[in-house]
Amino acid sequence: DTGVSQDPRHKITKRGQNVTFRCDPISEHNRLYWYRQTLGQGPEFLTYFQNEAQLEKSRLLSDRFSAERPKGSFSTLEIQRTEQGDSAMYLCASRTSGDSYEQYFGPGTRLTVT
Amino acid sequence: SQQGEEDPQALSIQEGENATMNCSYKTSINNLQWYRQNSGRGLVHLILIRSNEREKHSGRLRVTLDTSKKSSSLLITASRAADTASYFCATDSTGGFKTIFGAGTRLFVKA
Repeated sequence: DTGVSQDPRHKITKRGQNVTFRCDPISEHNRLYWYRQTLGQGPEFLTYFQNEAQLEKSRLLSDRFSAERPKGSFSTLEIQRTEQGDSAMYLCASRTSGDSYEQYFGPGTRLTVT
Repeated sequence: SQQGEEDPQALSIQEGENATMNCSYKTSINNLQWYRQNSGRGLVHLILIRSNEREKHSGRLRVTLDTSKKSSSLLITASRAADTASYFCATDSTGGFKTIFGAGTRLFVKA
């Protein structure tokens, strides 16, 4: 257990539905990342927060994806109008500021869109 | 794809042998990290090497970095069955906040 938690761990939804995932980082970590990982591939960067500010967002992210980190604590990732191609593992990671770049990953939320 | 390349894609060795995996990347970097992922523990950070370093050791791990070739290698010595996992390199580019992972090398260590 790295100290980063994600909820839910599994989500099955029908195409067209909206889903929201939550990430609780390690409390003293002000930097937070979301990634998407499909079978046999490495994590793909989605977005990055420093405190509550979303400083970078992947061009892979369509307008259907949105992420927030109110008050610089937990973060949510919402996918609207889900598509079968959204099926993947969604990973959250956090780290401290400064030059320690080690990211601590949560267990992930596995999304299946039917 | 935004990911770097890793080589080999899969590697099967006997316990006690050394395992070497390679990573190439595309942009200027601040640092390069290696992570391990297995089904039991998720993604775990192994080692970081900064862009001004050429080699780094941590226990049975040895990492090298060649910024002129935009490549890195991870050597695991005296491998154990517990080293069976996927290994990913990850780079933090200069001038941005994005971390880019490679596609990974799947290592299988036979007891």
